[in-house]
Amino acid sequence: NAGVTQTPKFQVLKTGQSMTLQCAQDMNHNSMYWYRQDPGMGLRLIYYSASEGTTDKGEVPNGYNVSRLNKREFSLRLESAAPSQTSVYFCASSSHYTDTQYFGPGTRLTVL
Amino acid sequence: LAKTTQPISMDSYEGQEVNITCSHNNIATNDYITWYQQFPSQGPRFIIQGYKTKVTNEVASLFIPADRKSSTLSLPRVSLSDTAVYYCLVGPLNSGGYQKVTFGTGTKLQVIP
Repeated sequence: NAGVTQTPKFQVLKTGQSMTLQCAQDMNHNSMYWYRQDPGMGLRLIYYSASEGTTDKGEVPNGYNVSRLNKREFSLRLESAAPSQTSVYFCASSSHYTDTQYFGPGTRLTVL
Repeated sequence: LAKTTQPISMDSYEGQEVNITCSHNNIATNDYITWYQQFPSQGPRFIIQGYKTKVTNEVASLFIPADRKSSTLSLPRVSLSDTAVYYCLVGPLNSGGYQKVTFGTGTKLQVIP
C-alpha cells in the first residue's frame, strides 16, 4: 500500500516548456487535489476532482490544466511554464467518508 | 469558508507540553476543525479532527470550547521530532465529495533541546 505517489520528485524547466506532473493513489479514494506551496507559505489549492470524471478549479488555477484519468490517477499539466510557477507541488486524496487528506511526497519544480 | 488565525511561530523545550491555539470566529454550524502537521520537504499529515469538547488520540489532544470560536491543539511532552509546521483547518465534511478547507501559513513549532 503505497498511499499517494508523485512523479517526478524534481524537475527543472525553461520558460515556455511544458510538462505533466503525475499522481496516483491506491486507497480507492474518490477525491483528489493538487496544491502548490511556495517558500514559507501555506498550501494553495490549484484544482480538485471530487470524483472520477469531474474536475474543478481551486484558488489558483491559471496556467494549469488537470486530467482525472481514472479513479487512481490525477495529473497536472503546465502548458507553458513560467518562473512564477516555481514551487513545490503536492497531490492529495481523500475518502468521501472521513475527508482526511493524504498527501504525496511532492514535486519540486524550478522554472528558469 | 471560515477564516483561521494562528500564531506564526512558537518555541518550546523538549519534554514540555505545547498548546497551539487557532481562532475561527466565523465557524459555521456544520464545520469541523482539523489539524495537520508538515515536516520540511514532506506533504502535510493528518493529526486530529473534532467538532466540540475534547478529542484525544495517540498523538495529540484537541480542545474546543462550547462557542467553537477557537480550538487548541495540545502536544504532550514534545521531542525534537515534533519540530514542524502545524495547520488549523476549518470546513464542512462530506461537502459534495471533497473537503472545502483552506491551508493558511500555519504555526512553525521549533522544539529546542
